[in-house]
Amino acid sequence: NAGVMQNPRHLVRRRGQEARLRCSPMKGHSHVYWYRQLPEEGLKFMVYLQKENIIDESGMPKERFSAEFPKEGPSILRIQQVVRGDSAAYFCASSPFGGANSPLHFGNGTRLTVT
Amino acid sequence: QQQVKQSPQSLIVQKGGISIINCAYENTAFDYFPWYQQFPGKGPALLIAIRPDVSEKKEGRFTISFNKSAKQFSLHIMDSQPGDSATYFCAASLSAGGTSYGKLTFGQGTILTVHP
Repeated sequence: NAGVMQNPRHLVRRRGQEARLRCSPMKGHSHVYWYRQLPEEGLKFMVYLQKENIIDESGMPKERFSAEFPKEGPSILRIQQVVRGDSAAYFCASSPFGGANSPLHFGNGTRLTVT
Repeated sequence: QQQVKQSPQSLIVQKGGISIINCAYENTAFDYFPWYQQFPGKGPALLIAIRPDVSEKKEGRFTISFNKSAKQFSLHIMDSQPGDSATYFCAASLSAGGTSYGKLTFGQGTILTVHP
């Protein structure tokens, strides 16, 4: 029973390039969350998606960041024209349903380094 | 009002000792308080969680104490072991409504080191 799978584990991009981070939720999970962890800080909520829908993107920067969770395939977090400040660990979490009694299962993250 | 403040930043405990990590929150609407354990290079893993209708929850060596009036909660690790060395995060969220549940507000984390 595979857990939440994220790839790549490490991603290096030069300033101005695009970064694409992928997340495959646990089997049977239709709710996906993205969190960002800056060095020596806690995780910060970015976006919550269900299949084909963005439910809450209140934590996403207004520009350059976008997320999707298509009917088929993994959820994608896309960062356009990356800057050094985007360097962080990005974690995806999934749950089988929203609401109470639905704890989050986190992947092992993608470490993005912008040079 | 959405902050969760965690202390201490780092903690060193001898094997067999008690590790205590504290968190304080501001939003009185929070009603779900989980603790996560994170090892280097891994994602956070749910350790134990509590709701404000109880003052204490225990699972094995891990206990959450909750003080609703003070808006504080803490994690106690009894008989701490070197394998417990990790970063611990407290968090809080609103469980009312499906869209809020997974939107956790995390504390800054505590790096726990248990010496053999």
